[in-house]
Amino acid sequence: AQKVTQAQTEISVVEKEDVTLDCVYETRDTTYYLFWYKQPPSGELVFLIRRNSFDEQNEISGRYSWNFQKSTSSFNFTITASQVVDSAVYFCALIEVGTNAGKSTFGDGTTLTVKP
Amino acid sequence: EAQVTQNPRYLITVTGKKLTVTCSQNMNHEYMSWYRQDPGLGLRQIYYSMNVEVTDKGDVPEGYKVSRKEKRNFPLILESPSPNQTSLYFCASSPTGLSDEQFFGPGTRLTVL
Repeated sequence: AQKVTQAQTEISVVEKEDVTLDCVYETRDTTYYLFWYKQPPSGELVFLIRRNSFDEQNEISGRYSWNFQKSTSSFNFTITASQVVDSAVYFCALIEVGTNAGKSTFGDGTTLTVKP
Repeated sequence: EAQVTQNPRYLITVTGKKLTVTCSQNMNHEYMSWYRQDPGLGLRQIYYSMNVEVTDKGDVPEGYKVSRKEKRNFPLILESPSPNQTSLYFCASSPTGLSDEQFFGPGTRLTVL
C-alpha cells in the first residue's frame, strides 16, 4: 500500500531563515507522481510542484526548491529566506499509475510558522 | 472562470439525516475526487472517479456514497451521517488524475450532532 510520511508536524522559524520540509513515501509502483500543495490560513489548497518517478532532477522556483531522491524515497521541499507569507500547512502527496491508478495519498502535513 | 464548486459550504445536521454535498467542475476534467481533512490527519481520500460511471474507493469510504453520472458533477452522499463524519470535505478535479495537479474546491465544513 502506498504511504506518505511527513514526520515534522510543526516547524517554527524566524523570517529569513531557510527551512526544509521532509517527505518520505512508500510505493510498489515503478511509475508514480509526487506533489506538494500549500494550504494557507485561508484554507484553500494550492498546487506547488509535480515530479514524476523518472525525473530526479532537482527543481528551483524562486525561493522554493525541491530535492527528489529515489534511492531514499524522499521528496523534500526547501524554502530559502522564509517570509511570513510562507506560513501555511504543506502537504506532500503521491499518486500511483499502476493497479490503483488515480488513488491519491497525502501526508499528514507540516505546519510552518514563520515569525517576523 | 475555471473552478470547482461545492455546496453547501457549511452544514450542521443531526445523526441519521441523509445529506448530499454537491461538487461541480467546469474544466472538462476526467478525474474527480473527494477528501476529508481532520486535524493532524492530512487529507484522506474517500472516493475517486477516473471517468464517467467509474468510481473507486479511497482510504476511508465507509459511510459514504458517490456517483458520477455526468463528467462535471460528483456528489458525495452520506446516507446516515454520524458524529465521526464531522469534518472538512474537499472535492477536487484534474484532467487525468495521474500526472496533473488537482484543482480543489473551497471546502465544505460539516458538523453532525
